[in-house]
Amino acid sequence: AQSVSQHNHHVILSEAASLELGCNYSYGGTVNLFWYVQYPGQHLQLLLKYFSGDPLVKGIKGFEAEFIKSKFSFNLRKPSVQWSDTAEYFCAVNALGGSQGNLIFGKGTKLSVKP
Amino acid sequence: NAGVMQNPRHLVRRRGQEARLRCSPMKGHSHVYWYRQLPEEGLKFMVYLQKENIIDESGMPKERFSAEFPKEGPSILRIQQVVRGDSAAYFCASSEIRQGSAGANVLTFGAGSRLTVL
Repeated sequence: AQSVSQHNHHVILSEAASLELGCNYSYGGTVNLFWYVQYPGQHLQLLLKYFSGDPLVKGIKGFEAEFIKSKFSFNLRKPSVQWSDTAEYFCAVNALGGSQGNLIFGKGTKLSVKP
Repeated sequence: NAGVMQNPRHLVRRRGQEARLRCSPMKGHSHVYWYRQLPEEGLKFMVYLQKENIIDESGMPKERFSAEFPKEGPSILRIQQVVRGDSAAYFCASSEIRQGSAGANVLTFGAGSRLTVL
């Protein structure tokens, strides 16, 4: 069965620190990859996505992610975090083809940024 | 252009009662998905529907849970005889195109309905 692993449950950073959140998935075929963000009290919002092409994807608010197919990874990065980035971040995978049509989510990583 | 609308935002039920959660997809979207988020867990897929059709219900518990998306009106997730373990946030999402297809659109999520079972 497909699965998505997010290695860090809770990350605490100071403002201006660099961020990298890990995401690995298990599926041998072609995938679409996503990062969603959930700010406190709000709904999930799309941060960025990868469908094809350049494996380095730029998203909103200065976030980027790199798809490394050989490592089955799609890590999220930001060079300098802000207090307003405090949120929960979810990696998700969508397999193409077959009967699987739904998004598989990781358990999420809570990011706390100290001012 | 309103996003995905879910109501109620919060619902409190006693054990044994029924819970009904409603979801209106984004305008122009014909695919609806329900996900459940338990504490300390990621979102888990429950069911995928198109108008008047359940396409994939592989994530739905076998008993007490049902979903529909009628020709007119919102999609409804119904939980009969609720138990404490049903307490969770239930998120609805919609898309134009079926997920899992090449060139699929992303899912747009609603704000969720938080169910508390006393």
